[in-house]
Amino acid sequence: DQQVKQNSPSLSVQEGRISILNCDYTNSMFDYFLWYKKYPAEGPTFLISISSIKDKNEDGRFTVFLNKSAKHLSLHIVPSQPGDSAVYFCAATTNTNAGKSTFGDGTTLTVKP
Amino acid sequence: EPEVTQTPSHQVTQMGQEVILRCVPISNHLYFYWYRQILGQKVEFLVSFYNNEISEKSEIFDDQFSVERPDGSNFTLKIRSTKLEDSAMYFCASSVETVYGYTFGSGTRLTVV
Repeated sequence: DQQVKQNSPSLSVQEGRISILNCDYTNSMFDYFLWYKKYPAEGPTFLISISSIKDKNEDGRFTVFLNKSAKHLSLHIVPSQPGDSAVYFCAATTNTNAGKSTFGDGTTLTVKP
Repeated sequence: EPEVTQTPSHQVTQMGQEVILRCVPISNHLYFYWYRQILGQKVEFLVSFYNNEISEKSEIFDDQFSVERPDGSNFTLKIRSTKLEDSAMYFCASSVETVYGYTFGSGTRLTVV
């Protein structure tokens, strides 16, 4: 049962343009969502999170949008830079089982110079 | 910037042998985790640990697995009798609070032959 899905395995964008990474979830109990970035041979690095009481959270070039009715979240990166090329994972957790995060499959972002 | 340190970076072991994967979490973090990623698959939750006891574990974390915080700084994952399907990248992580983003280590690549 894939509770967190990232339907696009890969995304390629031009430097300076917007990157939009999408994530869908099925478990309505999820109330906290996180995005991680992962380079090869490294562990995931936390980027940004959003609580279910919000619909938007912004941190510099990164903005996460949450649409609870659609059970959908997205990560926007503006402007995209070549150093953003990595695998991006969305993850979700619940307040009652907050020690456990459920990860999506990941989307490989390539930003071309 | 504080880091989560994992050793060794790569471990090769024979099927049926015991392995211990070691982690030093960030010193002021209270919550500790093990995740794994089988090659080509998603990052999967194994176990969370707080206040010297397991707070949550997945169905993967069966009797062959155990965790320990032996001395207040190290956090270990033991696999008693390794199987071929245990081959994966094992990530240790820690956090201040459960719903905050985790800090992951760089991982230990376990290869069971």
